[in-house]
Amino acid sequence: KQEVTQIPAALSVPEGENLVLNCSFTDSAIYNLQWFRQDPGKGLTSLLLIQSSQREQTSGRLNASLDKSSGRSTLYIAASQPGDSATYLCAVTGGGGSQGNLIFGKGTKLSVKP
Amino acid sequence: EAGVVQSPRYKIIEKKQPVAFWCNPISGHNTLYWYLQNLGQGPELLIRYENEEAVDDSQLPKDRFSAERLKGVDSTLKIQPAELGDSAVYLCASSLGRQNQETQYFGPGTRLLVL
Repeated sequence: KQEVTQIPAALSVPEGENLVLNCSFTDSAIYNLQWFRQDPGKGLTSLLLIQSSQREQTSGRLNASLDKSSGRSTLYIAASQPGDSATYLCAVTGGGGSQGNLIFGKGTKLSVKP
Repeated sequence: EAGVVQSPRYKIIEKKQPVAFWCNPISGHNTLYWYLQNLGQGPELLIRYENEEAVDDSQLPKDRFSAERLKGVDSTLKIQPAELGDSAVYLCASSLGRQNQETQYFGPGTRLLVL
């Protein structure tokens, strides 16, 4: 069964700091991996999607990497801002009985202090 | 372009009562998903539709939950009767086509509280 783990569960940093969020998955037979952002009381917003054949994707201050063989992904946020405060969710498609559906981690709650 | 629309945004009911949630996906999106998100957890898929066909409902508790997507556009998720443990956020998402390669777009969710 595909399982997704995110570390740390919560993170608090001062504004301007660079930070890394970690995601690991147990079955490397994935189609893709996505990073989402969720604000309190809101739905999820897709930030980056990395296909299984890709190593990384970049969007503005965000960079996501994928090492499929080791079952790991990182989300790098450069020069963090208070507006980046949210919960960041990692999800994979494929692997371990998922039937091609998205399997989510529990998320990392990020707080960026002014 | 309008995003995924869900209603109601909040619902408070007493246990054993019925409740229904409505979702309107992004125009042209053939695939529609219903997810359940408990506090502090990631979303878990309940059911996935390809047009009007439910292609994966393996995680839907069929004794009390039902869903429909008439005409392959809007969808309704129903719980009857509701239990205390059903208190959660119910998210709807849609994607253009093949789920393995497409980004899913999520609605704001319906927050259900069962008393």
